[in-house]
Amino acid sequence: KAGVTQTPRYLIKTRGQQVTLSCSPISGHRSVSWYQQTPGQGLQFLFEYFSETQRNKGNFPGRFSGRQFSNSRSEMNVSTLELGDSALYLCASSLARGGSNYGYTFGSGTRLTVV
Amino acid sequence: SQQGEEDPQALSIQEGENATMNCSYKTSINNLQWYRQNSGRGLVHLILIRSNEREKHSGRLRVTLDTSKKSSSLLITASRAADTASYFCATDLTSGSRLTFGEGTQLTVNP
Repeated sequence: KAGVTQTPRYLIKTRGQQVTLSCSPISGHRSVSWYQQTPGQGLQFLFEYFSETQRNKGNFPGRFSGRQFSNSRSEMNVSTLELGDSALYLCASSLARGGSNYGYTFGSGTRLTVV
Repeated sequence: SQQGEEDPQALSIQEGENATMNCSYKTSINNLQWYRQNSGRGLVHLILIRSNEREKHSGRLRVTLDTSKKSSSLLITASRAADTASYFCATDLTSGSRLTFGEGTQLTVNP
């Protein structure tokens, strides 16, 4: 079956702009989580969505937001981009909340560069 | 801040040798997971070990968990050049549904 699909694969934006990233989870997976990966901070949790509701949020400013649609597809939005937002953004899906007994399946990520 | 710390940060071995990576964490966990990442790509789930388990095997992978020491190790036996990647441990805390990652170990397997 198809894996987790993230689009676009690469993105270049200018400071101050906003960006929307998309994630389509594995069919049947209802939980979608987002992570930011940077060389300095490593992998950090952004938020988790389940049944169209944000269930958990990491320590990121309000410029970072997301949503989940009824088909479980998720988008994350970053407004007023800063240079420090340059990162690999990874989406992970799991069958149940927390993925506790099943692990998570990650997409290939969106590489965002802010100039 | 990172929940876990991994040791070593980098490891270089020859094909056929075993590779051992260690992970320490700070708080009680529900489970601990290991992931592999190839050069800026997505993470691949390798193995999950629950807090009430002590050892788990999957193919050439062996994971141990010592909750009293809050540590885990990942052993890759008979390594191959294709095992070259970054390896991350991630803890799933009892209080939430999010993964907290360690800093990763960069493994290089030389042919």
